[in-house]
Amino acid sequence: DTGVSQNPRHKITKRGQNVTFRCDPISEHNRLYWYRQTLGQGPEFLTYFQNEAQLEKSRLLSDRFSAERPKGSFSTLEIQRTEQGDSAMYLCASSLAFAADTQYFGPGTRLTVL
Amino acid sequence: QKEVEQNSGPLSVPEGAIASLNCTYSDRGSQSFFWYRQYSGKSPELIMFIYSNGDKEDGRFTAQLNKASQYVSLLIRDSQPSDSATYLCAPTNYQLIWGAGTKLIIKP
Repeated sequence: DTGVSQNPRHKITKRGQNVTFRCDPISEHNRLYWYRQTLGQGPEFLTYFQNEAQLEKSRLLSDRFSAERPKGSFSTLEIQRTEQGDSAMYLCASSLAFAADTQYFGPGTRLTVL
Repeated sequence: QKEVEQNSGPLSVPEGAIASLNCTYSDRGSQSFFWYRQYSGKSPELIMFIYSNGDKEDGRFTAQLNKASQYVSLLIRDSQPSDSATYLCAPTNYQLIWGAGTKLIIKP
């Protein structure tokens, strides 16, 4: 069990560019979550998948954000036309769909938009 | 709107003392809770899970749940500098909502 991995760990981009992040969950986990976290705040929910189905997406999330999990394994989060306010840590977590849904987090991708 | 409230702190506790962290929640349907610890610059990691009223002990950590008062707490006995971190609570039935966390500082 290698845990949840995320790539890249850091991303610096210019305003207006598109970025894509990848998350590889723990292999037997069928739920996958994306969160955004800024300094001094708890994780802010973005979206989550059960297998390949995207079950919920935050209403706070603009249309510039999209996520996929095409084969029910790894997931990608894309942010189009990045803005400075998108600068944050993007966290991925995975869990089983039972066992009280303990979420195991990856190390995160830190995005800086210049 | 389901909400989880935590005092953001920082909460400063001398080494060796008991640290008490609190969390209140608005959803009466929340039956059980997780406590996660997050070191600065790191991801959250699970430290405890409580699903019934009363206390649950794990080493130096005790979680307390009071469903009638919609209140959950975490006590850390014999606090160590390595306990300095942000502590987050989340209801297990709806982990999509997280508190902002309480920053705990243990002073040597």
